Amino acid sequence: AQSVTQPDIHITVSEGASLELRCNYSYGATPYLFWYVQSPGQGLQLLLKYFSGDTLVQGIKGFEAEFKRSQSSFNLRKPSVHWSDAAEYFCAVGPARGSQGNLIFGKGTKLSVKP
Amino acid sequence: KAGVTQTPRYLIKTRGQQVTLSCSPISGHRSVSWYQQTPGQGLQFLFEYFSETQRNKGNFPGRFSGRQFSNSRSEMNVSTLELGDSALYLCASSHSRAAGTGELFFGEGSRLTVL
Repeated sequence: AQSVTQPDIHITVSEGASLELRCNYSYGATPYLFWYVQSPGQGLQLLLKYFSGDTLVQGIKGFEAEFKRSQSSFNLRKPSVHWSDAAEYFCAVGPARGSQGNLIFGKGTKLSVKP
Repeated sequence: KAGVTQTPRYLIKTRGQQVTLSCSPISGHRSVSWYQQTPGQGLQFLFEYFSETQRNKGNFPGRFSGRQFSNSRSEMNVSTLELGDSALYLCASSHSRAAGTGELFFGEGSRLTVL
């Protein structure tokens, strides 16, 4: 069965610093991979997704993620963090290709931004 | 285009009662998924409906049920409420035939408190 691990529960970075949020998945084949963001009191918003092709994926709000099959990772990065990026970030994996499964989410990483 | 609308946004119930939550998907989306979000367990998949049929179900007791109407609106019901059912219940819609392979658009959630 698929699983997603986000090793960091809480990360604090200074405004303007770079950011990398880690995501590891357990899956036998190339999965569909997603990063979502949740601001306090809000639902989740898609940042970016990887289905196939170029392993470096660009998303909204200046975020990018890199799929590394050899490491079973899909880490989220941003070169310069803004105070408005403070939120909770969720990595998710989709079902096997051709099947009708649901998204499985990691437990999330809460990002705090220091001024 | 209106987003995913969930009602009510907040509700308080007592143990033993039942609750019904409603979700109106984005126009044209036929897939609706429900997730339970708690601080300890994160986002857990409840069920997914497509064209009024339940396609997938998560590992929740039978007290949790749902349905989808012909206009794609969905409801979920929790009977005999327990304290542990206190959570944010998120609804998400998708235009993809397989909900796990496309972008999920989330509502802001219904926050249920069980006393």
